[in-house]
Amino acid sequence: AQRVTQPEKLLSVFKGAPVELKCNYSYSGSPELFWYVQYSRQRLQLLLRHISRESIKGFTADLNKGETSFHLKKPFAQEEDSAMYYCARGAGSYQLTFGKGTKLSVIP
Amino acid sequence: DGGITQSPKYLFRKEGQNVTLSCEQNLNHDAMYWYRQDPGQGLRLIYYSQIVNDFQKGDIAEGYSVSREKKESFPLTVTSAQKNPTAFYLCASSRRVRSNEKLFFGSGTQLSVL
Repeated sequence: AQRVTQPEKLLSVFKGAPVELKCNYSYSGSPELFWYVQYSRQRLQLLLRHISRESIKGFTADLNKGETSFHLKKPFAQEEDSAMYYCARGAGSYQLTFGKGTKLSVIP
Repeated sequence: DGGITQSPKYLFRKEGQNVTLSCEQNLNHDAMYWYRQDPGQGLRLIYYSQIVNDFQKGDIAEGYSVSREKKESFPLTVTSAQKNPTAFYLCASSRRVRSNEKLFFGSGTQLSVL
């Protein structure tokens, strides 16, 4: 079965500090990896996906097949980054599996 | 305002009662999904539909039923067979069912048991 592991339920960082939200996935072929974010009182929305190799709101995520990881990083945290973050993976025909989520709290 | 509309926001169910959660989208997406969100559990897939009149079970389909009579609509019924229905339910859609497709989510329905 596909698994997505986000080891931290809660991550607190000070404003301006670097952020790294961890995500590990079970290996199976060529996975598609995503980060979704849910800000307070807003809908869950796509933040970024690995195939796009993009930086959104200063966040980046690199797929490391050797470590089966897709950690989300930002060099300088901002208060508006406080949210719930979900890592998700898909593979082959549809079956998107979500991790349990990490709540990021940025301390002013 | 384009997007996905879920109703109601809050719903209460009595013992032995079936309840139906509504999900409508005007994005012209072929694929629609229902997820259940429990605290500390992430999102778990209940059912998904690739096209009208077709739907597939997800990981936790027992106690739930769906229909897809129109492209825009994908209602979820929580039946009396679902013994632990209290949860936050999210509906989502995508252009098609592919593992690399972006999902668009509704604002959710909180279901509680009286």
